[in-house]
Amino acid sequence: AQSVAQPEDQVNVAEGNPLTVKCTYSVSGNPYLFWYVQYPNRGLQFLLKYITGDNLVKGSYGFEAEFNKSQTSFHLKKPSALVSDSALYFCAVRVLNYGGSQGNLIFGKGTKLSVKP
Amino acid sequence: DSGVTQTPKHLITATGQRVTLRCSPRSGDLSVYWYQQSLDQGLQFLIQYYNGEERAKGNILERFSAQQFPDLHSELNLSSLELGDSALYFCASSVWNSYGYTFGSGTRLTVV
Repeated sequence: AQSVAQPEDQVNVAEGNPLTVKCTYSVSGNPYLFWYVQYPNRGLQFLLKYITGDNLVKGSYGFEAEFNKSQTSFHLKKPSALVSDSALYFCAVRVLNYGGSQGNLIFGKGTKLSVKP
Repeated sequence: DSGVTQTPKHLITATGQRVTLRCSPRSGDLSVYWYQQSLDQGLQFLIQYYNGEERAKGNILERFSAQQFPDLHSELNLSSLELGDSALYFCASSVWNSYGYTFGSGTRLTVV
């Protein structure tokens, strides 16, 4: 079965420091991986995706993620955190429907990022 | 504004009642997905529709049902509501076989 794990419920970072939010996955075949962010009382917003190609993926708001096939990881990173980055971050993997068509996303439990001034 | 519209934004109802949540997908998107977000279960996939047809089912209870209409809007019907059904319900849409979703801002359901 395909799954996504976010091992940290919360990550605390000081403003200006680099941040990493961890994600590992388990899929059959090639993974399609995503990061979304959720601000309070808002829907999920797309940050970035990995489909194929370069293992370092750049996304919105200065975020990037590194795909590591041998470690089955897709960690989210940012070189310098901002207080406004404080939010809930979700890693997700896309499953394939019967017949190979794109199906739904399976999400991790989410990691709360808190950036302090 | 993401382009995915969900109504109502908030809903308070009593146990045993039935409610309908509505979702209008982003213009041009044919696929609609419903998710339930609760504190203990996280984001759970409920059901997917494409152009009016059901494509995939997740952890959707038998008390819940959904449909997608010819104009592509979708409705999620929740019946015999229980306290545990209190959650945020999200709709997302995508172009067929695209890789990303666009989420609506959700409907917060409170069952009292």
